[in-house]
Amino acid sequence: QKEVEQDPGPLSVPEGAIVSLNCTYSNSAFQYFMWYRQYSRKGPELLMYTYSSGNKEDGRFTAQVDKSSKYISLFIRDSQPSDSATYLCAMNTGGFKTIFGAGTRLFVKA
Amino acid sequence: EAGVTQSPTHLIKTRGQQATLRCSPISGHTSVYWYQQALGLGLQFLLWYDEGEERNRGNFPPRFSGRQFPNYSSELNVNALELEDSALYLCASTNRGPASYEQYFGPGTRLTVT
Repeated sequence: QKEVEQDPGPLSVPEGAIVSLNCTYSNSAFQYFMWYRQYSRKGPELLMYTYSSGNKEDGRFTAQVDKSSKYISLFIRDSQPSDSATYLCAMNTGGFKTIFGAGTRLFVKA
Repeated sequence: EAGVTQSPTHLIKTRGQQATLRCSPISGHTSVYWYQQALGLGLQFLLWYDEGEERNRGNFPPRFSGRQFPNYSSELNVNALELEDSALYLCASTNRGPASYEQYFGPGTRLTVT
């Protein structure tokens, strides 16, 4: 079993839809939970990180962490074609090693 | 504030040759991480440098090596290139010391081995 599981998609939604991206994990020692956006042939861009459980909001993006279920989510409201990218979840215990999910490819259709 | 920069953007080598990739971290960041992202695979941790020292390496053979310079820029060297080394090589920097959350990535160097 991988430490971090993420559905590779692809996920296709119409413009304006609410997008839900999810990851599950097995290591209960993870304390930091990150979401990255990666456009084709580019480096990942850090969207936000959350410490421990709870929600964090930044504009149209909301990250949720449920440590009891070992489940994290990223919600994108009012999705735009420019949101079309691969979204990577990542997790860290507070140490040097960050474990990345395989990424979910998202397509937002105009 | 300038982001992480990497050079070259693309690199084409033949099997058996050596490749050198370069990375400049965000100003003030002392830790540099290198990752390999092969097609269809996730990010695989290669090397971690902090304050000029190699602190840890991932599950890669010794022909993957590097160094960090006094100005915190870093170099990744891949010797005896193999076809399966073809990938996007990403550098990331952080000012979080030994903790690698909140990493900022460069645009990557795409290495093609023929």
